[in-house]
Amino acid sequence: DSGVTQTPKHLITATGQRVTLRCSPRSGDLSVYWYQQSLDQGLQFLIHYYNGEERAKGNILERFSAQQFPDLHSELNLSSLELGDSALYFCASSKIAGGLVNEQFFGPGTRLTVL
Amino acid sequence: GQQLNQSPQSMFIQEGEDVSMNCTSSSIFNTWLWYKQDPGEGPVLLIALYKAGELTSNGRLTAQFGITRKDSFLNISASIPSDVGIYFCAGQLRDSGNTPLVFGKGTRLSVIA
Repeated sequence: DSGVTQTPKHLITATGQRVTLRCSPRSGDLSVYWYQQSLDQGLQFLIHYYNGEERAKGNILERFSAQQFPDLHSELNLSSLELGDSALYFCASSKIAGGLVNEQFFGPGTRLTVL
Repeated sequence: GQQLNQSPQSMFIQEGEDVSMNCTSSSIFNTWLWYKQDPGEGPVLLIALYKAGELTSNGRLTAQFGITRKDSFLNISASIPSDVGIYFCAGQLRDSGNTPLVFGKGTRLSVIA
């Protein structure tokens, strides 16, 4: 158990809908990262938040957005869903945003299926 | 974007055999991390490397940070069935945590008992 929690575990929805994925980082971690993993693909970095502020963006679609709240949990919002958005979405956390050490610990993921 | 070339893509080995996989890049990395992912689960951090030439072990796993800072390898000795999974390397290009980790596409390991 990495200490990172994600809800829900599974999500099935229809095209055009909007969903929200939730992540709680490990106790004491200030950074939250979101990744997308499609079938048989590697991990694609989406976005990074540190202590409530956006720090880095990857290949995140404009239909997707995220935020980190004062209690440090984060939400990833996916809207106008398309079939190709079906994937595993992982959240990871780490203690800091700067410096040499950036060990990221991953949650169990949310499997999103868009029908 | 930056690319990590991870090889081999997949491996089928007999239980008890040693395994070796590696990651290479044309870019210089300051940190190398190795993760293992079981089906339907999140990646689990196995080993973290921070200095060129560093050799670190975690049980039957050994990883090294290449001296050129452009590569890393992971060895698994005396493989067992629970070693099955996908192994990912990940690297960080600069010291700042603002730089996201770059992940390889993974090595899928299958162990035949």
